[in-house]
Amino acid sequence: NAGVTQTPKFRVLKTGQSMTLLCAQDMNHEYMYWYRQDPGMGLRLIHYSVGEGTTAKGEVPDGYNVSRLKKQNFLLGLESAAPSQTSVYFCASRSRTADQPQHFGDGTRLSIL
Amino acid sequence: GDSVTQMEGPVTLSEEAFLTINCTYTATGYPSLFWYVQYPGEGLQLLLKATKADDKGSNKGFEATYRKETTSFHLEKGSVQVSDSAVYFCALSDPTGYSTLTFGKGTMLLVSP
Repeated sequence: NAGVTQTPKFRVLKTGQSMTLLCAQDMNHEYMYWYRQDPGMGLRLIHYSVGEGTTAKGEVPDGYNVSRLKKQNFLLGLESAAPSQTSVYFCASRSRTADQPQHFGDGTRLSIL
Repeated sequence: GDSVTQMEGPVTLSEEAFLTINCTYTATGYPSLFWYVQYPGEGLQLLLKATKADDKGSNKGFEATYRKETTSFHLEKGSVQVSDSAVYFCALSDPTGYSTLTFGKGTMLLVSP
C-alpha cells in the first residue's frame, strides 16, 4: 500500500551542487506533479506531467528540470542549487479520470547552504 | 489567474468547540474544490471535495459546501478534537487543463484539551 514514495526524505546541499529527487507511484496514475512548500506560501506547482515522456511548466519552474521516462516515476532535478531553493518538496499523482484527487508523498526536506 | 484565499491562522480552539475555516476563490469556469489536511511531518491528505455548485463534501465530521454565488468553500466541524490539530489547505482544480491545483496558504488549527 505504498502510494506515492519520495526519496530522499532529507538532504543538505551546498550552493552550486546538483541533485535529483525521485518520485515513484504504484497506482498507475497518468498525471504527476511536483510542488514546493514554503512558510506562508502554501504549495506552488513547479512542473507536472500528463504522461510518459511529457512534461510542462507550472507556476515556479525556474531552476528546476524534470523527466518522466517511465509512467511510475517523475524526477525533479536541480542543476545548480541555490539557497532560494531551500524548501519542502512534494510529489503528487492522480488518475486522469475526471474529478479525482491528487495523492501526495510525504515530502523531501531540502536545505541549500 | 486562479487564486484561493484562506483565513490566516493559527486558529486556536478548545476541544469540542465549533470550527470554521473560511475559504474563497477566484477562477474562470467551474473548478472542483478541495480541502486537504497536513499533519506534522507528513504530506497532504484529501479531506473532502465538491465538484459542482451546491455540492456538500463531508468526511470525518468535517463539511464544506460549494457556494458559487459567494465563491466560497468554508470548512466546518461541529466538535473538534485534539487529533484535528493540523494545517488545512483549501484548493481548486483547473477544470479545463490537467487538473493542476491552486492552493491557499494554509490555516493552522491548534486544539487544546
